[in-house]
Amino acid sequence: ETGVTQSPTHLIKTRGQQVTLRCSSQSGHNTVSWYQQALGQGPQFIFQYYREEENGRGNFPPRFSGLQFPNYSSELNVNALELDDSALYLCASSPRGGLGLYEQYFGPGTRLTVT
Amino acid sequence: GENVEQHPSTLSVQEGDSAVIKCTYSDSASNYFPWYKQELGKGPQLIIDIRSNVGEKKDQRIAVTLNKTAKHFSLHITETQPEDSAVYFCAATDSWGKLQFGAGTQVVVTP
Repeated sequence: ETGVTQSPTHLIKTRGQQVTLRCSSQSGHNTVSWYQQALGQGPQFIFQYYREEENGRGNFPPRFSGLQFPNYSSELNVNALELDDSALYLCASSPRGGLGLYEQYFGPGTRLTVT
Repeated sequence: GENVEQHPSTLSVQEGDSAVIKCTYSDSASNYFPWYKQELGKGPQLIIDIRSNVGEKKDQRIAVTLNKTAKHFSLHITETQPEDSAVYFCAATDSWGKLQFGAGTQVVVTP
């Protein structure tokens, strides 16, 4: 069974640029959630996708957007990057639908640095 | 919204001793409480979870207890080993169902 994978591993961007992060969910999982983890803190929920639609959103501005594809993989897009967007971005997949009621399994994350 | 507090922020234990991490939550509607272990440079790993209809759950050296009345839950690691050294996060679902994480506990197991 393949686990959650994310790409790229590391990324350096300049303030104002746009970035796309990618996630492949674990085999058999149809729900993907994205989290932002600042250094020394717990993950913060950005949003969740279920059956290609956004299924819940945390306290993040609209410049954070996402997509889920028919194969359940997902993208996180961030526009107009700010210095505070520097963080580890984590993707987690779940075996069933619904928000947070089912086990979420995390990928290794993408470390984004905004200069 | 949900607020999860986690204590202590750091915990140093001798190999073989027990470690206990405590969390409190604010949303009485919370009904799912997972614990994650995060090693340096890796994503969080689900190690155990508990649902609101259960008071205690055990998996080998790891156990979790839940007190819904007091709104707190705890992680217990017995017979600690150096490989247990990591950051541990508790989490709870808020009334919208999304996971809210604690700030984490850095556990250091010294031989």
